[in-house]
Amino acid sequence: NAGVTQTPKFQVLKTGQSMTLQCAQDMNHNSMYWYRQDPGMGLRLIYYSASEGTTDKGEVPNGYNVSRLNKREFSLRLESAAPSQTSVYFCASSGGHGVNTEAFFGQGTRLTVV
Amino acid sequence: GDSVTQMEGPVTLSEEAFLTINCTYTATGYPSLFWYVQYPGEGLQLLLKATKADDKGSNKGFEATYRKETTSFHLEKGSVQVSDSAVYFCALSPGGTSYGKLTFGQGTILTVHP
Repeated sequence: NAGVTQTPKFQVLKTGQSMTLQCAQDMNHNSMYWYRQDPGMGLRLIYYSASEGTTDKGEVPNGYNVSRLNKREFSLRLESAAPSQTSVYFCASSGGHGVNTEAFFGQGTRLTVV
Repeated sequence: GDSVTQMEGPVTLSEEAFLTINCTYTATGYPSLFWYVQYPGEGLQLLLKATKADDKGSNKGFEATYRKETTSFHLEKGSVQVSDSAVYFCALSPGGTSYGKLTFGQGTILTVHP
C-alpha cells in the first residue's frame, strides 16, 4: 500500500516563481489536507477538502490555492512564491464526515524559496 | 479558537528512563486527542488517540489519558529506548468530524542515549 504520496520531495524556487505540489492517496478517503511545518510551530492547516468537489481554508491559507482534482488527488499551488513560504509541506487524508479514521500523512515536500 | 500547548523541548534521556511529555489543550465541545510521532526524514504517524474523557490511549509502551478536568493529555512511557528518538506532537480534532482536521502543539524533540 502506497498510502499518501507527495511529489516532489525537495524543491528550490526563486521568489516570484510558481509551482504545484502534488498529493495522491489510494485509501479511498473522502477528506484530504495540506499542512505546513515550521520550526517551533508544529503543523498548521493551509487548506482542506472534506469531500470531492469541496475545499475550505484552514489556519494559514494566504498565498496558496488548492484543487481537488478527483477523490484521489489534492494539489497545492503557490502562484508567486515568497521566502516566508519556505517550509516543509505535508499532505494528509482521512475517512470522510461521520467516519472516524485516523489521518495518514505523506512523507513531505521540503520547499526553499530564495 | 482551539489550541494545544506542549512542554518545551528538547528532552534528552538515557535508555530505560521514564518519559513524560506534557500536553494541555483549549477547545470548545468535546475534541478527540492524539499523539503523533515523526521519525527523522519521515511524515507523521499516529501513535495513540483518545476520543472521550477518561479514555486511555496506548501503543508501543506509550500511554496517555484524556483528562477533561485538567484539559490535559500527557504522554508517558516507563522505559524509553534509543529507537524512540523522534519528534512528538500532541494534537486535537473537533468532536464529530473526521480526524484529519488537526490542531497541533509545537512538537517536542526526544533524544534517547544508550
